[in-house]
Formats: sequence, structure tokens, C-alpha cells
Amino acid sequence: KQEVTQIPAALSVPEGENLVLNCSFTDSAIYNLQWFRQDPGKGLTSLLLIQSSQREQTSGRLNASLDKSSGRSTLYIAASQPGDSATYLCACYSGGSNYKLTFGKGTLLTVNP
Amino acid sequence: GAVVSQHPSWVICKSGTSVKIECRSLDFQATTMFWYRQFPKQSLMLMATSNEGSKATYEQGVEKDKFLINHASLTLSTLTVTSAHPEDSSFYICSARDWGPSYNEQFFGPGTRLTVL
Repeated sequence: KQEVTQIPAALSVPEGENLVLNCSFTDSAIYNLQWFRQDPGKGLTSLLLIQSSQREQTSGRLNASLDKSSGRSTLYIAASQPGDSATYLCACYSGGSNYKLTFGKGTLLTVNP
Repeated sequence: GAVVSQHPSWVICKSGTSVKIECRSLDFQATTMFWYRQFPKQSLMLMATSNEGSKATYEQGVEKDKFLINHASLTLSTLTVTSAHPEDSSFYICSARDWGPSYNEQFFGPGTRLTVL
């Protein structure tokens, strides 16, 4: 059974700081890994999806890496802004024919002006 | 592209009533849709996987008679919470799997906030 862990559970940083969010997963046989953003009381916004054959994906100030062999992914946010404040969720697609998406509990990010 | 809608976005109901939530894929056909629930400050938990034209597959611990899922077309799945009770209050999110070029990706709806009084 796939388990996804995110560390830290919460992070508070001053505006402008670069930061890294961590995600680990127990079953390395994943199809893809995806990072989402969730604002309070809202649905999910997809940030980056990394195919299992890829090592990283970039979008603007965001960079996500994937190391399947070690079961880890990181989300790097450069030059953080108060608008980046949200919960960031990591999720793995796995399960073979029983295809499923397993979520971590998320990291609550607060960027202080 | 790949837009998923949910209706209603929020609903308040009395204990004992049934509530239906719709999930639609607006610009693609989804042979598979997924239903999740999320409690406050918790992550998303998969409730069931819905395949068009067949019975849904429920995750362990999810009551199939309590949460009725119908996926009658390639663009619509419904979740009915039967005889709702306060403990069913939660945020319900659906997703749909696109069998086009992004076939390994799920696209999420905006969620439905259910409050049972």
C-alpha cells in the first residue's frame, strides 16, 4: 500500500525567501507524481506533474524534482511571495491495474510580508 | 482544456435527508471518475472509483449503501449521500481521468462543501 509523507507539516517564511517542500513515498513503482496547491476551503490547483521517466519539472518560480529510487520528491519555490501561502499537497499515481492517486497530508506554507 | 465541474459548490441539509452531488467533465470524456472526501486540516482520502457503465469500487471502510455512486455517462458521475448525518459533513471532491494524451492524470473539480445539521 502506497504511503505518502510530507515534511514539514507547516512552514512559515519571510517574503523573498527560497524554500523547499519535501515528499516521500513508500512504493517506488509510481506512474507519475503531482504537486497541488489548495487554498483554504477551495479545491485543488495542479502545479506540476512529473512523469515517472522524468527527473524534474519547472513552471515559473516552481521546480519539482523526482527521485524514484529513493522515493522522494521536492518542490522548490523561489523568491516566495505572500500569495504563495497555501497548503501544498504531493500525490503519487500508482497501483498497477488498480490505478490510484495517494495524497500526502500536505505542508501548510505561510509567507509573511 | 480538461475542466471538471461540481454542483452544488456547497449544501446545507438536515440530518436524515439525502444529498446528491454531480461531477461533470466539461471538455473530455471520462471513463473513470474518482470521489474523495477531505476533513478539516486533513488530506484527501479516496472513497471510490467510478467506471462508466459499471458498479463503483469502494475503498475499505466506505459504506457503499451510504454513499451511492452512479456513472451513467462518459461526462457525468453522481455521489448521493443517503440519510446524511452530521459526521458526513465534509468537503467532497471528484476527479476525472482523461483517456487522451494526459491519460495518466486526474483532473479535479472545485469541491462541494456538505454541512449536515
